[in-house]
Amino acid sequence: GQNIDQPTEMTATEGAIVQINCTYQTSGFNGLFWYQQHAGEAPTFLSYNVLDGLEEKGRFSSFLSRSKGYSYLLLKELQMKDSASYLCAVEYGSYKLIFGSGTRLLVRP
Amino acid sequence: DGGITQSPKYLFRKEGQNVTLSCEQNLNHDAMYWYRQDPGQGLRLIYYSQIVNDFQKGDIAEGYSVSREKKESFPLTVTSAQKNPTAFYLCASSTSGQYGNTIYFGEGSWLTVV
Repeated sequence: GQNIDQPTEMTATEGAIVQINCTYQTSGFNGLFWYQQHAGEAPTFLSYNVLDGLEEKGRFSSFLSRSKGYSYLLLKELQMKDSASYLCAVEYGSYKLIFGSGTRLLVRP
Repeated sequence: DGGITQSPKYLFRKEGQNVTLSCEQNLNHDAMYWYRQDPGQGLRLIYYSQIVNDFQKGDIAEGYSVSREKKESFPLTVTSAQKNPTAFYLCASSTSGQYGNTIYFGEGSWLTVV
């Protein structure tokens, strides 16, 4: 079967850096996505990794190691508005995407 | 503006009733999806469609039905056979591009059984 693991909750301080980890075991791999979801709203696309390494996009960066089945999302200079759930998702086949349960991040002043 | 429009935002269903959630996209995406999200859980795939007049069951298709008569539209019917339909429903669409087969979501519909 397909499986993705993420921590359930994390807490961090405004202005700090936080790393959200994601590990996956899937039968195939076409790419890994990170989405942000505020409470009661739809997920919005943050990043995409298909090759090993770090992809940087402003305050957000995402890292992938395919050999380890591992990714992380790095959020720098945390702001209160970054309080949300962060979903890791892996495309393991054509139109086949599995989502993790999400990591709820609370940013405190 | 391009996007995915779901309606209604909030819907209440009585026991034994069928209800239909609408989803329209003007992004010219080929593929469309329906996901269900329960509190504190990840998204689970109900149905997806790669092209018009064709769709495939996802992981939790029982008690649901869809149609894809037009590229822009992918309505979801929650039938009375779905025993626990209270959830947040998300419609999505995708096309291959710079970021692989990235899925983009509509605003979601809250369904509650009363």
